Amino acid sequence: GQNIDQPTEMTATEGAIVQINCTYQTSGFNGLFWYQQHAGEAPTFLSYNVLDGLEEKGRFSSFLSRSKGYSYLLLKELQMKDSASYLCAGDNYGQNFVFGPGTRLSVLP
Amino acid sequence: GAGVSQSPSNKVTEKGKDVELRCDPISGHTALYWYRQSLGQGLEFLIYFQGNSAPDKSGLPSDRFSAERTGGSVSTLTIQRTQQEDSAVYLCASSGLAGGDTQYFGPGTRLTVL
Repeated sequence: GQNIDQPTEMTATEGAIVQINCTYQTSGFNGLFWYQQHAGEAPTFLSYNVLDGLEEKGRFSSFLSRSKGYSYLLLKELQMKDSASYLCAGDNYGQNFVFGPGTRLSVLP
Repeated sequence: GAGVSQSPSNKVTEKGKDVELRCDPISGHTALYWYRQSLGQGLEFLIYFQGNSAPDKSGLPSDRFSAERTGGSVSTLTIQRTQQEDSAVYLCASSGLAGGDTQYFGPGTRLTVL
């Protein structure tokens, strides 16, 4: 199958920078999505990488290396409202999407 | 414009009963996805529609689960003879194109099977 791995939980301090990693089998996905999901709410889109490299959107950046089956989400200037689960998802060439287990990020004051 | 809507928002049913969950995608979106999420778990892909057809049914957990989409718009997910392990939040998402396009999620239907 196509597995996606992410750390289960991470903790960081308000104002800091945190990197959430995502690894997957290289034989599979066209691109990688990152979603944010607050407790009790539906996921919301953060980024989509189909090319290698870093894409920056304000405080959030996402990186992809297709050859290494590796992606990360970088969050800068952390705010308390960034406490949420961050989901990495592989795009299986439009046929389906495979989600990782999610990383629960806790931002502490 | 309106986002993805789902109904009901909550459904409590008895084991063995059938349930129907409804999803109204964003107008004009051709791709529609169903997922379920158990408490504290990640998203589990169930089924995907491109227009009215479902090229990938591999995620449906058993033959008690079925889904249809009519008119390229509204979709219903039906669970027959519900079991307690079916209890989860069922999320629907739609996107303009299949693959590589942002998926917009509905608020979900929380199903509880007693």
